Amino acid sequence: QQQVKQSPQSLIVQKGGISIINCAYENTAFDYFPWYQQFPGKGPALLIAIRPDVSEKKEGRFTISFNKSAKQFSLHIMDSQPGDSATYFCAAGNTDKLIFGTGTRLQVFP
Amino acid sequence: EAGVVQSPRYKIIEKKQPVAFWCNPISGHNTLYWYRQNLGQGPELLIRYENEEAVDDSQLPKDRFSAERLKGVDSTLKIQPAELGDSAVYLCASSQQGSGANVLTFGAGSRLTVL
Repeated sequence: QQQVKQSPQSLIVQKGGISIINCAYENTAFDYFPWYQQFPGKGPALLIAIRPDVSEKKEGRFTISFNKSAKQFSLHIMDSQPGDSATYFCAAGNTDKLIFGTGTRLQVFP
Repeated sequence: EAGVVQSPRYKIIEKKQPVAFWCNPISGHNTLYWYRQNLGQGPELLIRYENEEAVDDSQLPKDRFSAERLKGVDSTLKIQPAELGDSAVYLCASSQQGSGANVLTFGAGSRLTVL
């Protein structure tokens, strides 16, 4: 199975800081790159997603940066808040199948 | 609108026992997925249904796992017999194909502990 590599495994950020999570994929046929947020005891929930025809997508404090040539994409959380503390998963694939990264546990301290 | 509903939320069994999980997807979602999430890992696809048809079960360990989606709505995932390595959270998700994006809505999951 094609892998999606995610880093870092864990991240500690102070309130108001910027959180950055990186992912790399292998399959150039992938055309959909979502980020999911998961709180303890809950299922993952879609946060933001991007298609490879754009290099950046912003929704509120959350931004995806996409580098097609490097096969990498990242999630930036601006003005990080304690409520953002969760596990974040990147994924890559298409309308038929998504492959998830291993997750990043983000902790935002006041 | 209710989200994806899964039951039971927690199940503890001894190895070699059978176990079954149930999923009710979002109304109108024709695609249903079962994922397994091991501790500290991302979800891994077990099986995908388009209506009643299993269109991708390549990652389903068919010697002990089975799934069905009768009438293209609810689905059950069964493990028989369970092994220690099956301890994980089993996530059900649904989506509506044709929307142009694979937007999965996940349930809260069923956490299985095999002793």
